[in-house]
Amino acid sequence: SQQGEEDPQALSIQEGENATMNCSYKTSINNLQWYRQNSGRGLVHLILIRSNEREKHSGRLRVTLDTSKKSSSLLITASRAADTASYFCATDAMGNMLTFGGGTRLMVKP
Amino acid sequence: DGGITQSPKYLFRKEGQNVTLSCEQNLNHDAMYWYRQDPGQGLRLIYYSQIVNDFQKGDIAEGYSVSREKKESFPLTVTSAQKNPTAFYLCASSPGQGSSYNSPLHFGNGTRLTVT
Repeated sequence: SQQGEEDPQALSIQEGENATMNCSYKTSINNLQWYRQNSGRGLVHLILIRSNEREKHSGRLRVTLDTSKKSSSLLITASRAADTASYFCATDAMGNMLTFGGGTRLMVKP
Repeated sequence: DGGITQSPKYLFRKEGQNVTLSCEQNLNHDAMYWYRQDPGQGLRLIYYSQIVNDFQKGDIAEGYSVSREKKESFPLTVTSAQKNPTAFYLCASSPGQGSSYNSPLHFGNGTRLTVT
């Protein structure tokens, strides 16, 4: 099974609302990364958080990491229609190649 | 403009034929990767290469082959032995050897392969 699992699988919100996506993983990690994928396109890296960090910000994105619970969350504040995409977490289980979760499909309605 | 180019965007093949997907990068990255994505699922690693003339199998290498003769190029061949080849294929790269856990991956825009 996949190392990272996103929750929820799908999320639909109105423009201006906040969107929160969660990622759980099974084994210890060096870092956790979040990626975005627009329909039919490649993935784009959003943010990387290391295992010794608890929170990281980038523009309207806020990522938290709780290594004791083996979980991470991605918060998109003041969402826009252009944020509509799939969001994936990826983990590196102590030196292994990145393993991706199944993704959260976010729809932001104008 | 630095980036990864995958071609073609769409590819159609008959069952039993081998097909090669192209991936070229001008980022001067040492490491390159091939992932497969099925509808509603995450990415699964097929093959990766950390340096020219060397590559390793990923989680789902059966029915696929690769070569890494040049730093810039990492073509993937989907052979007739692959039981379920229809999928979206993504190529990625990262700087440095074995740096996947330190650096983000840069992705191409994928090739959608349909085999009938």
